[in-house]
Amino acid sequence: GQNIDQPTEMTATEGAIVQINCTYQTSGFNGLFWYQQHAGEAPTFLSYNVLDGLEEKGRFSSFLSRSKGYSYLLLKELQMKDSASYLCAVRPYGGATNKLIFGTGTLLAVQP
Amino acid sequence: KAGVTQTPRYLIKTRGQQVTLSCSPISGHRSVSWYQQTPGQGLQFLFEYFSETQRNKGNFPGRFSGRQFSNSRSEMNVSTLELGDSALYLCASSLAEKGAGSPLHFGNGTRLTVT
Repeated sequence: GQNIDQPTEMTATEGAIVQINCTYQTSGFNGLFWYQQHAGEAPTFLSYNVLDGLEEKGRFSSFLSRSKGYSYLLLKELQMKDSASYLCAVRPYGGATNKLIFGTGTLLAVQP
Repeated sequence: KAGVTQTPRYLIKTRGQQVTLSCSPISGHRSVSWYQQTPGQGLQFLFEYFSETQRNKGNFPGRFSGRQFSNSRSEMNVSTLELGDSALYLCASSLAEKGAGSPLHFGNGTRLTVT
């Protein structure tokens, strides 16, 4: 079956660092995505990992361990605008499809 | 370049009615996917189209259908609406035919309320 787990909610302080974890069990694996979604808005693409290791993109980094079925999103120097839902998604299938399996998302609240 | 456009933004329908939602992908994107988002279930895959052909379908009843036109625009239709169909329906387009690292680009969605 397909199962993606993330914490439901997290709270962090402005200027701090927060790590959002994601574990997955899928029938196949062809990459993992992180998306950010502000309330009432479209999810926006943050990062993509297909090989083990860390991908860094400004204040955001994403890590993947395929053997453990584990990923995390690291947000540094938190800003109030980072308050949003963060979605972990796995592309389980190769071939001709763009289908993603999403977790239910982690709602991050950044406090002053 | 314009993003993914979905119309309408909001819809209120009555049980038993049917509804059609529209999606215009980013120019040049031929892959269009539809997702249903609810607070309890998160984003659930509905179906995916590429070059007017449905190439993947999620685990939803036959009341949910879709199509894609030659200009890559897509529509989804829900017939005989039920209260549980109330959700945010998101359309996403992608540049790549075969996935890999090409991300999905989402529209702002259509908020459907069934009363």
